Amino acid sequence: DIVMTQTPLSSPVTLGQPASISCRSSQSLVHSNGNTYLSWLQQRPGQPPRLLIYKISNRFSGVPDRFSGSGAGTDFTLIISRVEAEDVGVYYCVQATQFPRTFGQGTKLEIK
Amino acid sequence: EVQLVESGGGLVQPGGSLRLSCAASGFTFNNYAMSWVRQAPGKGLEWVSGINSGGNVYYADSVKGRFTVSRDNSRNTLNLQMNSLRAEDTAIYYCAKDYRYPDVGEPLLDHWGQGTLVTVSS
Repeated sequence: DIVMTQTPLSSPVTLGQPASISCRSSQSLVHSNGNTYLSWLQQRPGQPPRLLIYKISNRFSGVPDRFSGSGAGTDFTLIISRVEAEDVGVYYCVQATQFPRTFGQGTKLEIK
Repeated sequence: EVQLVESGGGLVQPGGSLRLSCAASGFTFNNYAMSWVRQAPGKGLEWVSGINSGGNVYYADSVKGRFTVSRDNSRNTLNLQMNSLRAEDTAIYYCAKDYRYPDVGEPLLDHWGQGTLVTVSS
C-alpha cells in the first residue's frame, strides 16, 4: 500500500498569512495513464470532507483561488495564500492512483 | 446536484452485522466508481472499500473477509455489508463518488455524504 505522510500535523497561522502543508508518498503517484491522482481535502469541525484540489493542482468547483496545489511524483504541497477564519479545520492529502486509497494523517490548521 | 445519502448505521454488539446503504442522485451512477471511507471518533480518514463501474471490488486489509461492498445500478445505490464487527470498526462511515472510467478529466472523490455512525459496543 502507498503510505502518505503529511507535515506538519499542526499549523498555527495568523489571519491573512500564508500556510503550507506538505505531503509525501512512499512511491510515485503517476498512473499508467500519465495522470497523478493526488487530491487535497478539507474537513471543517463536524462536517464531512470536502474536495479542494484534485490531480495535484486543479481547484474543484467553488474553491477559492487562495488555495493552490503543486508537486510531482512523490512530493506535493497545498498552499493557502492568505488564511481566513473559515479555513480552520483538518486538511488531508489522499492518493487515488491505486487501490487501496490512502490518506495522510491530517494537518490541523488553527488560527494563532 | 449530486447527492449522497447514507443510512443503516446504529449500535451493534461485537460480532454482529450491519448493512449500510448510500443513495446516489444527480449523476450517472453506473459510470463511476464509489468508495466507503470511515472516521473513528477523533481520528483521521480511513478508506474502507471501493467498487468500480465494472463491479470490481477492493478492500482495506482491516476489513477484508468481513465486509462486502456491492452496488445496484438500477437503484443508484451503494451498499456495505459489515459482518463480524469489532469495537475498532466504530466510526462514521461516508460514501464518496470516486473516479470515472475512462478518465475524461473529471474530479474524483468530489462528493461525500454526511455519513452514518456505526457503534460497536456491548
